[in-house]
Amino acid sequence: AQKVTQAQTEISVVEKEDVTLDCVYETRDTTYYLFWYKQPPSGELVFLIRRNSFDEQNEISGRYSWNFQKSTSSFNFTITASQVVDSAVYFCALLGPHGTSYGKLTFGQGTILTVHP
Amino acid sequence: DTEVTQTPKHLVMGMTNKKSLKCEQHMGHRAMYWYKQKAKKPPELMFVYSYEKLSINESVPSRFSPECPNSSLLNLHLHALQPEDSALYLCASSTREADTQYFGPGTRLTVL
Repeated sequence: AQKVTQAQTEISVVEKEDVTLDCVYETRDTTYYLFWYKQPPSGELVFLIRRNSFDEQNEISGRYSWNFQKSTSSFNFTITASQVVDSAVYFCALLGPHGTSYGKLTFGQGTILTVHP
Repeated sequence: DTEVTQTPKHLVMGMTNKKSLKCEQHMGHRAMYWYKQKAKKPPELMFVYSYEKLSINESVPSRFSPECPNSSLLNLHLHALQPEDSALYLCASSTREADTQYFGPGTRLTVL
């Protein structure tokens, strides 16, 4: 069975602070994909990044960066110099490409991020 | 263009009504999905269509009936819903199953 844990239910920061959202996953698959999605108050789930299990390179995109560590089964997301527009619910998700998990995204419970001006 | 559109944006219906939700994508994706999301919870998978055939039904009650008329269009027909079915219904698509899913803006459904 697959499982994604986002231990931080809510995080509140002041603008320009850096913030890290934690994600820990469990899977028996040797090949899998990890995702981060952002859900602003409007409701749409916005795709941010996908990471393949065989690619442990960290990634930076503007103010966003992701740290994938297979040894600790973690895929953490850092926002540098946070802005009010970053306020949203962030979901970490796991996709298994084989077996009974095929085609099914397993979501974490989400982290509500509030950035205050 | 990674756009999935959904109509309507909001829907209010009584328990005896019949209504439909519509989802459309023109990215050439061959897998399409329906999710249900309650407040402060992650999305829950309902159905998956792959190459216009129903691939996964997550034991969804028969009052929800999916339909995939063609590779670009996905419908969800609603009949005799209950108030607890009130939720945000999200559609998604991907090039194939087990690939990145792109979501639409959702339909906020209220059942009275």
